[in-house]
Amino acid sequence: DTGVSQNPRHKITKRGQNVTFRCDPISEHNRLYWYRQTLGQGPEFLTYFQNEAQLEKSRLLSDRFSAERPKGSFSTLEIQRTEQGDSAMYLCASSFGRGFNEQFFGPGTRLTVL
Amino acid sequence: AQSVSQHNHHVILSEAASLELGCNYSYGGTVNLFWYVQYPGQHLQLLLKYFSGDPLVKGIKGFEAEFIKSKFSFNLRKPSVQWSDTAEYFCAVNAGGNTNAGKSTFGDGTTLTVKP
Repeated sequence: DTGVSQNPRHKITKRGQNVTFRCDPISEHNRLYWYRQTLGQGPEFLTYFQNEAQLEKSRLLSDRFSAERPKGSFSTLEIQRTEQGDSAMYLCASSFGRGFNEQFFGPGTRLTVL
Repeated sequence: AQSVSQHNHHVILSEAASLELGCNYSYGGTVNLFWYVQYPGQHLQLLLKYFSGDPLVKGIKGFEAEFIKSKFSFNLRKPSVQWSDTAEYFCAVNAGGNTNAGKSTFGDGTTLTVKP
């Protein structure tokens, strides 16, 4: 499969624990995006990278969230000291080139914080 | 700041009925506009997009959308829906032109149920 992949697909954790998600984009795509989606809402932008540079980060993202794309290929999203409000689907997408190009989405990682 | 409003949260139609889903956006500059679809159990995927040129754009599976700049709208249409069109539909916008913008703002989605 040559699409965007995300791991794990599901994560259940206890409040206060740290979690890390991984996204592998389509190989030739230089842009990588992270979104969060909760029930009944559309994807909410978190951050995006062009190659290894993090170009924008949502103001909604607290300092407990950090994302990296160290070699411009895969990316990780870490949430420290998880809270119940962090429970959501975390989506990764990738695209090539400019903003008008299609974003290809992965299947998402569903996080449940108990 | 960008925002997107999808007025219909849930639409129920019978097969062969015509479809129009509303999408209005708020942004002062040039925009790129998208409709994405999520079929049950599948990833979000692109239906169609507008970034310049003819404001009437055609996408996959017989869908089309019209960009009306004066109304800040990008409504999705299909003349005759099928049961297989049952899905959730999301409108999205990002800053167009020569900006390097990557952030896309999505609406809250419209769930379409087509009865056979």
